[in-house]
Amino acid sequence: GAVVSQHPSWVICKSGTSVKIECRSLDFQATTMFWYRQFPKQSLMLMATSNEGSKATYEQGVEKDKFLINHASLTLSTLTVTSAHPEDSSFYICSARDPGVGSYNSPLHFGNGTRLTVT
Amino acid sequence: AQTVTQSQPEMSVQEAETVTLSCTYDTSESDYYLFWYKQPPSRQMILVIRQEAYKQQNATENRFSVNFQKAAKSFSLKISDSQLGDAAMYFCAYRGGSQGNLIFGKGTKLSVKP
Repeated sequence: GAVVSQHPSWVICKSGTSVKIECRSLDFQATTMFWYRQFPKQSLMLMATSNEGSKATYEQGVEKDKFLINHASLTLSTLTVTSAHPEDSSFYICSARDPGVGSYNSPLHFGNGTRLTVT
Repeated sequence: AQTVTQSQPEMSVQEAETVTLSCTYDTSESDYYLFWYKQPPSRQMILVIRQEAYKQQNATENRFSVNFQKAAKSFSLKISDSQLGDAAMYFCAYRGGSQGNLIFGKGTKLSVKP
């Protein structure tokens, strides 16, 4: 079945540095990918929608200059957390829908997530 | 805006018994899709079952079934013959017909007692 690969699975960085997270669709082309954030014991909150070849669409309250999203190809989207701070520590999950499966009822395929810890 | 509500933060079930997880949603759309996802401690999101709103028949996947009440905007998940491996967080999710992203409920933590 369709697989979404997310890398790294965990990362520890110092405050003020930047971290890049990659999300790849391995056996399908994803024109749209979604980035979610999940705090401990909470639900997934959509941060932004990544569109191939165009600018990402950010949800209200998400700083686009802090969370840079690049979707340069049909199989890769990246999320860069710039000038990270401890409050950015969280679990970040990407997802993509296989457009070849059918209409919008096709489920989203999720990456395994990235646990970011900013010290 | 669409919302998804899971009113049970935690549930517990005895192994081999049946448990029902509740979910309600609010939407003004007529075309939408509903999902239940399982998130074990590994944090991997696993699709359990999905339901198209235009289908009256409740979806079933082996031990998992839903009770979809469109008029009441209710979408509960029934797990039969519960197994230890069913222990996880369960998220109810909504997707509008014109959207790609999912809107999640806050989740229900399911414990399975041996």
